[in-house]
Amino acid sequence: GDSVTQMEGPVTLSEEAFLTINCTYTATGYPSLFWYVQYPGEGLQLLLKATKADDKGSNKGFEATYRKETTSFHLEKGSVQVSDSAVYFCALGPYSGNTPLVFGKGTRLSVIA
Amino acid sequence: DTGVSQDPRHKITKRGQNVTFRCDPISEHNRLYWYRQTLGQGPEFLTYFQNEAQLEKSRLLSDRFSAERPKGSFSTLEIQRTEQGDSAMYLCASSPLPPGQFNEQFFGPGTRLTVL
Repeated sequence: GDSVTQMEGPVTLSEEAFLTINCTYTATGYPSLFWYVQYPGEGLQLLLKATKADDKGSNKGFEATYRKETTSFHLEKGSVQVSDSAVYFCALGPYSGNTPLVFGKGTRLSVIA
Repeated sequence: DTGVSQDPRHKITKRGQNVTFRCDPISEHNRLYWYRQTLGQGPEFLTYFQNEAQLEKSRLLSDRFSAERPKGSFSTLEIQRTEQGDSAMYLCASSPLPPGQFNEQFFGPGTRLTVL
């Protein structure tokens, strides 16, 4: 079945450091890919998405490119801030659009000043 | 648009008791999803509705779990004879669905269940 594997955390970075969180997936067809973020005490929020190969999703300085050849959707940010501290989830939505999201286990990011 | 709301936010119960959670989706969203999230894991799908019809149930949804969406608006998730393994965060999400388009899901804050 469909699955998502993302790098385990926690990840601790200093402010202004470069961030990469790896995500790879297994799916039949051509899924849509998502990054969700969960700030402390809050619900999941969509951070960015890409719906086809070579699409780049971006939001709030975060970027991820849908790489079909490597089945990857790595999250990157050039300069993290303390306010980026959260848990990040990679997820896929099966191509049919009629079935629910499949999530990775999440990666906790802590950014220290 | 006030977002997806869930009630209660926290529930502590004793093993063997029944509990019911409520989810109010964003108005006019016809898809509603329930997920379960345990510590250190990502959300796992339980069931989903399109309007009032329950379209799919995960194998995670044992016979002790039941979900309803009677008028295609709010939904309830009931767990009967709770077990300690049911302790988790229960998340609700909703999405609109124009034909032929996959839409993002909007999540509520979750209900944290603790079974003693």
